[in-house]
Amino acid sequence: DTGVSQDPRHKITKRGQNVTFRCDPISEHNRLYWYRQTLGQGPEFLTYFQNEAQLEKSRLLSDRFSAERPKGSFSTLEIQRTEQGDSAMYLCASSLAGTGSQETQYFGPGTRLLVL
Amino acid sequence: GDSVTQMEGPVTLSEEAFLTINCTYTATGYPSLFWYVQYPGEGLQLLLKATKADDKGSNKGFEATYRKETTSFHLEKGSVQVSDSAVYFCALRRPGNAGGTSYGKLTFGQGTILTVHP
Repeated sequence: DTGVSQDPRHKITKRGQNVTFRCDPISEHNRLYWYRQTLGQGPEFLTYFQNEAQLEKSRLLSDRFSAERPKGSFSTLEIQRTEQGDSAMYLCASSLAGTGSQETQYFGPGTRLLVL
Repeated sequence: GDSVTQMEGPVTLSEEAFLTINCTYTATGYPSLFWYVQYPGEGLQLLLKATKADDKGSNKGFEATYRKETTSFHLEKGSVQVSDSAVYFCALRRPGNAGGTSYGKLTFGQGTILTVHP
């Protein structure tokens, strides 16, 4: 069991640049979530996929953010024209739908983004 | 909307002390409730969960009981260890709807930093 993996683990970029993060979920999991965590706060939901369909997006997800899961496996989160306020930890989680109230999300280690 | 409120930290205890971290929630219907733990340098890990009223979740000596009447899910441990030092997050997941569009999203509290000294 390899768990949820994320790449890169750390990213430093200059304001205005575009960045892309990747998440590889647990192989049999059909749901994939993105969250953002700022210092001293709990994670906040950004978006989620069931298979390749993006089913919900938070109002936190401005039009500079886009997420894809083209084949229902790995997912990418892109931030265009980064701003200093985008600096945060970006977390990915996956789960197996269809287990009802027993559904459990498993989190990756996160990608820490610093925008200078 | 849904929200989770945790007791403010940080919490500092001596080894073998009793731990309580308070968590209350606001949500429509009957959410599932979770405690996640984040050890230094690691990702979030599920510690325990409860899916209906009066359920008790337990793991690694930690316990929490789903109290619908007080909308609470307080985390307790009878004797903490230095290795329990971490950040603890309470979270809820609202019951799914027929369309499945809201099912699954977790709403987290702000986290409580626990430090245990030898």
